[in-house]
Amino acid sequence: GENVEQHPSTLSVQEGDSAVIKCTYSDSASNYFPWYKQELGKRPQLIIDIRSNVGEKKDQRIAVTLNKTAKHFSLHITETQPEDSAVYFCAASPQGSGNTGKLIFGQGTTLQVKP
Amino acid sequence: DAGVIQSPRHEVTEMGQEVTLRCKPISGHNSLFWYRQTMMRGLELLIYFNNNVPIDDSGMPEDRFSAKMPNASFSTLKIQPSEPRDSAVYFCASSFTSGNTIYFGEGSWLTVV
Repeated sequence: GENVEQHPSTLSVQEGDSAVIKCTYSDSASNYFPWYKQELGKRPQLIIDIRSNVGEKKDQRIAVTLNKTAKHFSLHITETQPEDSAVYFCAASPQGSGNTGKLIFGQGTTLQVKP
Repeated sequence: DAGVIQSPRHEVTEMGQEVTLRCKPISGHNSLFWYRQTMMRGLELLIYFNNNVPIDDSGMPEDRFSAKMPNASFSTLKIQPSEPRDSAVYFCASSFTSGNTIYFGEGSWLTVV
């Protein structure tokens, strides 16, 4: 089945710096790659997603890139702020899930933005 | 819409007791997912339903775990008998078939002592 690997597990940056989180997936047929942010004690919430027919997508300070050949995708956060501190999860929608929306998640990255 | 609604939000129970977690998906969504979150194993997909039918339960850890979806607006995850290692946050999530975006509930924080 699909396997999603996420790195790093923890990331500490200074406010204003950029943060990059990387994920690799195993199922080349996966076609949907969302990123979720989970604040302490809260539910995971979608922040950005990308589909396999697109190489890059931006939304203000966050962007996601996808390299289908290499089977990896990355989250980029620019001009980080303390409120960006959270756990970030990548996910992939594997082959066979059809349109059911099944997602397999990476292990998560704890991002700390120091003021 | 109120979003995905889960109950109870918190439960503390003794080992051996039966635990039932409940979920109401977002109205109109036809896929429902049960995830378990722990520090050690992250977010694990336990089971998911599409149009009330269980599609994949390969993530259900043991026979002690069972899940049902009797109708489009309600699902349960049951653990019987519960064990301390079942302590985790259990998230229910739902999505609309062609939309892919999964929306999570607030989670049910389970502690088995």
